[in-house]
Amino acid sequence: DAKTTQPNSMESNEEEPVHLPCNHSTISGTDYIHWYRQLPSQGPEYVIHGLTSNVNNRMASLAIAEDRKSSTLILHRATLRDAAVYYCILRFPSNDYKLSFGAGTTVTVRA
Amino acid sequence: DTGVSQDPRHKITKRGQNVTFRCDPISEHNRLYWYRQTLGQGPEFLTYFQNEAQLEKSRLLSDRFSAERPKGSFSTLEIQRTEQGDSAMYLCASSLSQDRAYTFGSGTRLTVV
Repeated sequence: DAKTTQPNSMESNEEEPVHLPCNHSTISGTDYIHWYRQLPSQGPEYVIHGLTSNVNNRMASLAIAEDRKSSTLILHRATLRDAAVYYCILRFPSNDYKLSFGAGTTVTVRA
Repeated sequence: DTGVSQDPRHKITKRGQNVTFRCDPISEHNRLYWYRQTLGQGPEFLTYFQNEAQLEKSRLLSDRFSAERPKGSFSTLEIQRTEQGDSAMYLCASSLSQDRAYTFGSGTRLTVV
């Protein structure tokens, strides 16, 4: 199974951008890159996903390297409510697209 | 759309007792998933359903655990003869189909004393 590698933690100042890296060097052509986040005392929530092209939505942007072996989740202006654990996950058809979570990156936002 | 509901939010039980948790998914979602999360770790997959059919059970799901989804609507997760190691957050999620985003509930926190 393809796996991802993320830093354990990152810190940011409020209203500054946050760039969260994710390495997935064993990714295959049919694997989708998904990001979820988990706020304290809540279940995970979907953030964004992509296959090959960069993606934008109201929550974040996803930049995917040309060789797809890494990606970066970008929070354009961090707020205190963005403090959470961010999970980078590969979803692929051979395991029925199930979500398999790693330890994620804990993001702390300083006021 | 009221999201995914889980009940109860918290459960404290004595070792050896049986507990049952309920999950109400988003009504049109045919996929339902159970995960377990311990402190400081990411959620671990337990089992999932497509409609009423249970498609897979993780090796984490010992024979003391059973899950059902009668009529493809709500689901229950029962733990028999609870052990202290069962203390965790139990999360339920649903999705419209296998490749769509999951919507998670807020979880049931189980404490076995």
